[in-house]
Amino acid sequence: ELKVEQNPLFLSMQEGKNYTIYCNYSTTSDRLYWYRQDPGKSLESLFVLLSNGAVKQEGRLMASLDTKARLSTLHITAAVHDLSATYFCAVDKGSQGNLIFGKGTKLSVKP
Amino acid sequence: EAEVAQSPRYKITEKSQAVAFWCDPISGHATLYWYRQILGQGPELLVQFQDESVVDDSQLPKDRFSAERLKGVDSTLKIQPAELGDSAMYLCASSEDIDTDTQYFGPGTRLTVL
Repeated sequence: ELKVEQNPLFLSMQEGKNYTIYCNYSTTSDRLYWYRQDPGKSLESLFVLLSNGAVKQEGRLMASLDTKARLSTLHITAAVHDLSATYFCAVDKGSQGNLIFGKGTKLSVKP
Repeated sequence: EAEVAQSPRYKITEKSQAVAFWCDPISGHATLYWYRQILGQGPELLVQFQDESVVDDSQLPKDRFSAERLKGVDSTLKIQPAELGDSAMYLCASSEDIDTDTQYFGPGTRLTVL
């Protein structure tokens, strides 16, 4: 059974600091997704990682994938308050869109 | 920009009542998903459609939940009877095809069962 674990589950950081969120998964998969969710809102797609060594960057966020280690990271550079949200990673169970989500990392960026 | 539409946005019901949620995917998207998200957790897939056919409903509690996508466009998810534990956000998502990269999520329906 595919399991997806994120850590940390809660992250409080100061503006301007860097930090990394980790996503581990238990079985082989060739697709990993990162989503952002603001309180009471739906999910917004951030990154889709499709191959080993894939790296994608958008603004202060950078995501990478190591399929051999079954690990993805979401790196935050010089955090700003607007990045406060919950971040989910999701792994495709069988390349047919059946996504298994982690529990999410609730990020709070304080001035 | 095209979006996934859902209604209602909020629903309050009493246990044992029937509720229904509606989803209109992005035009042209063949694959439609219904997820349930309990507060503080990640979404969990309930059912996946490819056009009008069910691809995966292994996590759908079929004794009380049903879903249909009769013409392969919009979809309805029904719960009858609702139970207290059904209180959650119900999210609909769509993608161009079953093996397409990105799923686009709608705003969700927040269900409260009293």
